[in-house]
Amino acid sequence: RKEVEQDPGPFNVPEGATVAFNCTYSNSASQSFFWYRQDCRKEPKLLMSVYSSGNEDGRFTAQLNRASQYISLLIRDSKLSDSATYLCVVTKNSGNTPLVFGKGTRLSVIA
Amino acid sequence: DAGVIQSPRHEVTEMGQEVTLRCKPISGHNSLFWYRQTMMRGLELLIYFNNNVPIDDSGMPEDRFSAKMPNASFSTLKIQPSEPRDSAVYFCASSWDGPETQYFGPGTRLLVL
Repeated sequence: RKEVEQDPGPFNVPEGATVAFNCTYSNSASQSFFWYRQDCRKEPKLLMSVYSSGNEDGRFTAQLNRASQYISLLIRDSKLSDSATYLCVVTKNSGNTPLVFGKGTRLSVIA
Repeated sequence: DAGVIQSPRHEVTEMGQEVTLRCKPISGHNSLFWYRQTMMRGLELLIYFNNNVPIDDSGMPEDRFSAKMPNASFSTLKIQPSEPRDSAVYFCASSWDGPETQYFGPGTRLLVL
């Protein structure tokens, strides 16, 4: 079983749509959870951290379910500029540790 | 404020040649990570250093790969001899107090012919 699994997509959605991405992780020792965004031919960049209580940043909402080892990202009112690959990321364990990446879900927002 | 710097940005070489990738982490960061990204396998950790000491190199594919961090401001990843299956984007990242502060460099695109 892969450490982090995501639906690769692509998700093709019209501007203004709401889109949700999910991922599951296998390592119950993972302590920190993130969504990263990667544009074509660029480096990954942190989009937001994910907390058990859920957190929101503008149009983006992230949720974590530790019991199910499941992470989600919701994007409301999609913009053309949201087109990118979204990577689900967990840490190997606690502390300043490496990141374990899912292979990403590709999103294309269409005018 | 300079981010993580990697060089070269692109490298094309022939099978069997030695390849050296370089990374300058963000000043003040004490952890440095080397990742490799391919279409088939996604982003994978190769090795990481904490305070210039290698902590986990279990992701290094084989003996052809080696990494060093002689000081806090410089690291190299060397492949000798290179093979076509090493073709990938190699990212260096650094952080100082936790994964939330891990920043990636722009990557080195390596093509081994």
